[in-house]
Amino acid sequence: SQTIHQWPATLVQPVGSPLSLECTVEGTSNPNLYWYRQAAGRGLQLLFYSVGIGQISSEVPQNLSASRPQDRQFILSSKKLLLSDSGFYLCAWADVYEQYFGPGTRLTVT
Amino acid sequence: KNQVEQSPQSLIILEGKNCTLQCNYTVSPFSNLRWYKQDTGRGPVSLTIMTFSENTKSNGRYTATLDADTKQSSLHITASQLSDSASYICVVSAREAAGNKLTFGGGTRVLVKP
Repeated sequence: SQTIHQWPATLVQPVGSPLSLECTVEGTSNPNLYWYRQAAGRGLQLLFYSVGIGQISSEVPQNLSASRPQDRQFILSSKKLLLSDSGFYLCAWADVYEQYFGPGTRLTVT
Repeated sequence: KNQVEQSPQSLIILEGKNCTLQCNYTVSPFSNLRWYKQDTGRGPVSLTIMTFSENTKSNGRYTATLDADTKQSSLHITASQLSDSASYICVVSAREAAGNKLTFGGGTRVLVKP
């Protein structure tokens, strides 16, 4: 069966510091991978998606970036965090019918 | 512009009672509609997925309906339990050349009280 991992589970970072969130998927090959952000009490916002190694599409212009160095690894990064980057970050992978979400990372920028 | 609107934004129900959540969408071309349950601080978990030809689908005490003509869907929770307290998210998929694109509703927060 497929499993999706995210770490860390929670993170508190000061404004201006760098960020690296990691997502890995097990049990599937060449998955479509997604990064979402969910602000408190709000819906999910698609940030990036990837259909293969090194292929990244950005949905929303921002100070975040994503990379896919390996088939089942998806990384969300920032060089300098903003207060507005606080939120719940979800990684997901998708097959033809379904999208499966990871456990999420709670990021608080102080 | 593709949009998914959910109502109500939140509701409180007593344990054992039923409730119905609504989802209206303007997504084209329609591919499928999904309902997810998201516990606080966790990732969403799929409850149901329906394609254009399906108008009802059940998953235990959860029953989803789809009216593709009016572009409306509902999620009915029967005999609610405390563990049903969560956000319920309606997600509609549009079929595009690059693959399906998802549009998320803002969710309905359900609180079940004893």
